[in-house]
Amino acid sequence: GAVVSQHPSRVICKSGTSVKIECRSLDFQATTMFWYRQFPKQSLMLMATSNEGSKATYEQGVEKDKFLINHASLTLSTLTVTSAHPEDSSFYICSATKPDRGSVNTEAFFGQGTRLTVV
Amino acid sequence: EDQVTQSPEALRLQEGESSSLNCSYTVSGLRGLFWYRQDPGKGPEFLFTLYSAGEEKEKERLKATLTKKESFLHITAPKPEDSATYLCAVRASNSGYALNFGKGTSLLVTP
Repeated sequence: GAVVSQHPSRVICKSGTSVKIECRSLDFQATTMFWYRQFPKQSLMLMATSNEGSKATYEQGVEKDKFLINHASLTLSTLTVTSAHPEDSSFYICSATKPDRGSVNTEAFFGQGTRLTVV
Repeated sequence: EDQVTQSPEALRLQEGESSSLNCSYTVSGLRGLFWYRQDPGKGPEFLFTLYSAGEEKEKERLKATLTKKESFLHITAPKPEDSATYLCAVRASNSGYALNFGKGTSLLVTP
């Protein structure tokens, strides 16, 4: 099946520094990837839609200057948390959609997630 | 506004005790209802996608069904390794390919 790889799985950084998280689709090309955020015992909340070759689309309330998204190729999207603060500590998860061959349906697969702790 | 509500929030079962998880939804133009399993500290693991009312899919001890208002995830004779949080999500016609998630059902299966 499809595999989406996310790296790193855990990162601890100092307040004020930036952190980059990578999301790769390993066996398919993904023109669209998604970034979600999950707080403890909460569900996944969509942050932004990453479009290959164009600007990302951010959900309401998500600061685009703080969460920089780059989708430079059909298999890689990156999320950079700039000037991180403790309130940015969370579980970040990426997703990529894979077209179901011969159908208009698409499946959505998720990365392993990145636990960000800002101290 | 699209809404996804899962119940119960938490469920504790004895090994072998079958049960069902519910996902109620309101969405403008359903383009897929998704079930995922999530273990602590991990990303969601894809289980099923259902696209139209009446559709059913099975995988091992799990069976997902869909009506126009809700979906059920039936767990038959669960084992302790089935313990996880089960997430339901919908894709709407006006949301591109993004998913709108429910809060999940935390399932604990005891030996």
